[in-house]
Amino acid sequence: SQTIHQWPATLVQPVGSPLSLECTVEGTSNPNLYWYRQAAGRGLQLLFYSVGIGQISSEVPQNLSASRPQDRQFILSSKKLLLSDSGFYLCAWSFEDTQYFGPGTRLTVL
Amino acid sequence: AQKVTQAQTEISVVEKEDVTLDCVYETRDTTYYLFWYKQPPSGELVFLIRRNSFDEQNEISGRYSWNFQKSTSSFNFTITASQVVDSAVYFCALVGDSNYQLIWGAGTKLIIKP
Repeated sequence: SQTIHQWPATLVQPVGSPLSLECTVEGTSNPNLYWYRQAAGRGLQLLFYSVGIGQISSEVPQNLSASRPQDRQFILSSKKLLLSDSGFYLCAWSFEDTQYFGPGTRLTVL
Repeated sequence: AQKVTQAQTEISVVEKEDVTLDCVYETRDTTYYLFWYKQPPSGELVFLIRRNSFDEQNEISGRYSWNFQKSTSSFNFTITASQVVDSAVYFCALVGDSNYQLIWGAGTKLIIKP
């Protein structure tokens, strides 16, 4: 069966520091992968999606970037975090139009 | 344009009551899928159901049931005999064949009081 992992689970970072969140999927090959952000009490915002290695599409211009160095690995990065980057970050993979989500990373930027 | 509306921001009921969460959608696609997800306090989004636009049969899974009506562009979710563990934020979502993107509703926070 397929499983999706995200780490770290929680993270507290100072403003201006770099960021790297990792997502890996097991049990499937060449999945579509997604990064979402959810601000406190708000809905989901799609940040990036990827249909294959090295193929990244950005949905929202910001100081975040994504990379897919391996088939089942999706990384969300930032060179300098902003206060507004705080939120809950969810990675997802999809199969036949259904998206399945990881446990999420709760990021607090101070 | 595609849109999903969950007009109920928050619902609070006493345990064992039945509760219905509303979802209204807009799309010009003839082929589309509708989804419900549950987000408990832990944060992880849990997939509940997918329904395609050609299947209007209602679905029942234990205490959960879904009513899909194309005539009113609605895909409502009912929990029968609610339990405290049902407390969560519930999201309705849509994806159409013209756009790979999942369009999300704003979510309904459901509070089940013991």
